[in-house]
Amino acid sequence: GENVEQHPSTLSVQEGDSAVIKCTYSDSASNYFPWYKQELGKGPQLIIDIRSNVGEKKDQRIAVTLNKTAKHFSLHITETQPEDSAVYFCAASRDNYGQNFVFGPGTRLSVLP
Amino acid sequence: KAGVTQTPRYLIKTRGQQVTLSCSPISGHRSVSWYQQTPGQGLQFLFEYFSETQRNKGNFPGRFSGRQFSNSRSEMNVSTLELGDSALYLCASSSLTGGGFFGPGTRLTVL
Repeated sequence: GENVEQHPSTLSVQEGDSAVIKCTYSDSASNYFPWYKQELGKGPQLIIDIRSNVGEKKDQRIAVTLNKTAKHFSLHITETQPEDSAVYFCAASRDNYGQNFVFGPGTRLSVLP
Repeated sequence: KAGVTQTPRYLIKTRGQQVTLSCSPISGHRSVSWYQQTPGQGLQFLFEYFSETQRNKGNFPGRFSGRQFSNSRSEMNVSTLELGDSALYLCASSSLTGGGFFGPGTRLTVL
């Protein structure tokens, strides 16, 4: 079955710097890749997603890139702010609109003021 | 539009008991999935329901079951609770254009 790896497990950056989180997946049939942000005591919040027919997607300070050949995708957050501090999860799914997700183990991002 | 709601938010049960958790998806969403989140195993997929039919199932024992009603609300049931079932149970809903949008979860503690 699908296996999703995620690095790093923890990441500390200074406010205003960029943060990059990388994920790799094993199932070449996976075609939908969402990213989630989870704050303490809350459920995961979808922040951006990308489908396999797209190489890059951007939404304000957040961008995701996908390399299908290498089977990896990355989350880029620019101009980080303290409120970006949270645990971030990547996920992969074979379903077109993805409800059967395999999640990475998560990255705890700390943005230091 | 209201988000995904889950009830109850917290539950304490003892080993051997059973529990039922409820999830109301975003209005118009017909797909509901359930996940278990623990510190050791992370987020793991339990099952997905679409139009009252189980469409996908994860690798959990038969003690974990679910159902979906005609209004898309879903319930999951865990029978014969074990200590290891203590977790945050999350449901997510999605439409045909993508998702999933998670609820706040139900924190289950098994004593």
